Amino acid sequence: ETGVTQTPRHLVMGMTNKKSLKCEQHLGHNAMYWYKQSAKKPLELMFVYSLEERVENNSVPSRFSPECPNSSHLFLHLHTLQPEDSALYLCASSRDRVAAQYFGPGTRLLVL
Amino acid sequence: RKEVEQDPGPFNVPEGATVAFNCTYSNSASQSFFWYRQDCRKEPKLLMSVYSSGNEDGRFTAQLNRASQYISLLIRDSKLSDSATYLCVVNEPNSGYSTLTFGKGTMLLVSP
Repeated sequence: ETGVTQTPRHLVMGMTNKKSLKCEQHLGHNAMYWYKQSAKKPLELMFVYSLEERVENNSVPSRFSPECPNSSHLFLHLHTLQPEDSALYLCASSRDRVAAQYFGPGTRLLVL
Repeated sequence: RKEVEQDPGPFNVPEGATVAFNCTYSNSASQSFFWYRQDCRKEPKLLMSVYSSGNEDGRFTAQLNRASQYISLLIRDSKLSDSATYLCVVNEPNSGYSTLTFGKGTMLLVSP
């Protein structure tokens, strides 16, 4: 399935690096999301965008900075991360905020 | 307070068995309900939506009980490939906006 794609699939970065995660959806959806999933932990919602406007920010540290330039693309800019930020970062999209969400394959991030 | 509760399991069942999971939710105004499955180190994938009248998709049957605020998933004739974590998902209306809340998941292990 290629409805929601994410790049890169794997990323190793040092604590002083700056990197960006990219998500693209080809489903014509209006809402996009970033989630974090640490090992053997449940999904944690980070950010919600609806019609390119950020509508939710769940107390995420400022070292994570989202960007939604249009309804098909979502970025997560990373800087000065900590080792505890190592996790699987999942992007999802949905028709609206009560509809089913479709996930990308995720970016597996390791912070050294 | 957002709350979607599931028994984490694991549920260990032999091939061919029937297994059922329940999930309770706290917000009586919730309108959308879903079951997702997540394989180890992969993204969650939509299994099925849950409708008020109950619905079936092959070996899978989902039920909604609004009065008691729980949803269920029944899997008949379990296959080895059904081994996964099953996530209960409910929309949470909140002060003019809504998004989906994911439960922590129930792990199913199907053995030969």
